Amino acid sequence: GAVVSQHPSWVICKSGTSVKIECRSLDFQATTMFWYRQFPKKSLMLMATSNEGSKATYEQGVEKDKFLINHASLTLSTLTVTSAHPEDSSFYICSAPGRFYEQYFGPGTRLTVT
Amino acid sequence: RKEVEQDPGPFNVPEGATVAFNCTYSNSASQSFFWYRQDCRKEPKLLMSVYSSGNEDGRFTAQLNRASQYISLLIRDSKLSDSATYLCVVNILSGNTGKLIFGQGTTLQVKP
Repeated sequence: GAVVSQHPSWVICKSGTSVKIECRSLDFQATTMFWYRQFPKKSLMLMATSNEGSKATYEQGVEKDKFLINHASLTLSTLTVTSAHPEDSSFYICSAPGRFYEQYFGPGTRLTVT
Repeated sequence: RKEVEQDPGPFNVPEGATVAFNCTYSNSASQSFFWYRQDCRKEPKLLMSVYSSGNEDGRFTAQLNRASQYISLLIRDSKLSDSATYLCVVNILSGNTGKLIFGQGTTLQVKP
């Protein structure tokens, strides 16, 4: 199946700093990628849709100025958490769609803000 | 009301048991349906797509009832390695690819 990678797999940062997470499709091109967040014992919540060559589409309640998304190429999307706070600590997962609307997920990035 | 609802469980079953998970969805415009499996602190992995005609993959059988907006997953002869959280997922068409809406997941614990 298709492979999606994420980097870093985990990161610890201080409150107020910014963190960038990369999502790459390794063996296919993805004009669209998705970013999710998952809190402990909760389901995945879609944050935004990343579109190559245009602005990202954010879900209701997600601050676009706080979660900056850049779809730099057909194989790379980045999510930057700006001015991170402890409540931003979560598991961030990206995905890219397959041919039949299924999605392939990256391994996730565990962010801890101290 | 949640867009995709599942019984969170946990379901604790002995090895060899048959277990069934149910899921309902509220958006009648939902286009496609999936079961994903998520292990603790890992990303979800596609288990199987779900079709109205029903589909089977080894010990796993999935069924979709569009009229009732109901999805099911049956696991026969449970193995210890089946212990995980099972996510019912619905794709709602949005743009060219749609977007996935996840249920909260049903936790399965298979005991020896």
